[in-house]
Amino acid sequence: DQQVKQNSPSLSVQEGRISILNCDYTNSMFDYFLWYKKYPAEGPTFLISISSIKDKNEDGRFTVFLNKSAKHLSLHIVPSQPGDSAVYFCAARQKSSGDKLTFGTGTRLAVRP
Amino acid sequence: DSGVTQTPKHLITATGQRVTLRCSPRSGDLSVYWYQQSLDQGLQFLIQYYNGEERAKGNILERFSAQQFPDLHSELNLSSLELGDSALYFCASSDLAGGHTGELFFGEGSRLTVL
Repeated sequence: DQQVKQNSPSLSVQEGRISILNCDYTNSMFDYFLWYKKYPAEGPTFLISISSIKDKNEDGRFTVFLNKSAKHLSLHIVPSQPGDSAVYFCAARQKSSGDKLTFGTGTRLAVRP
Repeated sequence: DSGVTQTPKHLITATGQRVTLRCSPRSGDLSVYWYQQSLDQGLQFLIQYYNGEERAKGNILERFSAQQFPDLHSELNLSSLELGDSALYFCASSDLAGGHTGELFFGEGSRLTVL
């Protein structure tokens, strides 16, 4: 049962343009959503999060949008840079069932110079 | 550097064998999580320990076991290994009291290859 889904395994974007990574979830009890970034041979690193009571959170070039009615969130990166090329994982937490995170399968972003 | 240390970084072994993966959490973090990432898959939650006690269990096989010691380091034991156990195993830690955003801090992973 895949509660967090990232339906696009890969995305290619021109440097300077916007990257939009999407994530869908099925569990309405999730209270926090997070994005992690992973480079090869490294562990995932936290990027940005959003509470289920918010619909937008911004941190520099990164903005996460949450649409609870659609059970959908997206990560916007503007402007995209070659150093952003990595695998991005969407994750969600259901506080009432512990603090573990449930991850999507990831989207590989390639930013072309 | 997340502050989470995992050893070994790479491990190659044969089917039927047993291995132990080790994790030292960030200083002050009481909670340790183990995740498995198979090829082109997301991170699958295995098990969580908090201050020495098992707190949550995911899809962890019966051949796998884990524990957290008094000094808070954790070990994941994988036995009767099969080819399908080849994967990256990640450890993560958090301070539940301050982790209000749900953020976990991940180590660099242990890559297990079963031949």
